[in-house]
Amino acid sequence: GIQVEQSPPDLILQEGANSTLRCNFSDSVNNLQWFHQNPWGQLINLFYIPSGTKQNGRLSATTVATERYSLLYISSSQTTDSGVYFCAVLSSNTGKLIFGQGTTLQVKP
Amino acid sequence: KAGVTQTPRYLIKTRGQQVTLSCSPISGHRSVSWYQQTPGQGLQFLFEYFSETQRNKGNFPGRFSGRQFSNSRSEMNVSTLELGDSALYLCASFGGQFQETQYFGPGTRLLVL
Repeated sequence: GIQVEQSPPDLILQEGANSTLRCNFSDSVNNLQWFHQNPWGQLINLFYIPSGTKQNGRLSATTVATERYSLLYISSSQTTDSGVYFCAVLSSNTGKLIFGQGTTLQVKP
Repeated sequence: KAGVTQTPRYLIKTRGQQVTLSCSPISGHRSVSWYQQTPGQGLQFLFEYFSETQRNKGNFPGRFSGRQFSNSRSEMNVSTLELGDSALYLCASFGGQFQETQYFGPGTRLLVL
């Protein structure tokens, strides 16, 4: 099955810094999502981005489907950005999202 | 629109008992998926229901089962609970097409003692 790898596993930033999170996947996909898991465990949708580039405020994401990777950019990070970021992909005919192991981000004031 | 709701939010059970968790999808969504999250295994797919039929299934033992009702609400049941079943159980809701955003509920935290 599809393998999803996220890097780095952990990231510590000072408030105001920028960061890039990476998601590599091993096969073609028709669904790719980025999530932020809040301290209570809920997965908050950030982007649905099987290809192309999207932006939402300080966050943006790019997926290069032909090279099988996606990037999540966080600019001017804030302490509220802390938490775990997951990339999840879905291959055709399986119906299940395959999650990476996540990147744990800590933003220090 | 109201989001995905899950009940109960927290649950404590003892080994050998059974448990039923509920998930109400976003209005109009016909598909519900269930996931288990543990520190050791991460997020793993349990099963997916679409229009009252199980459409996909993950690699979990038969103690884990589910169903979906005509109003798209879904329940999952775990029988003969084991300590290793302690986890956060998340459900996701979407319209039914795989090329669309899946929205997650707040989860149910299950502790098995």
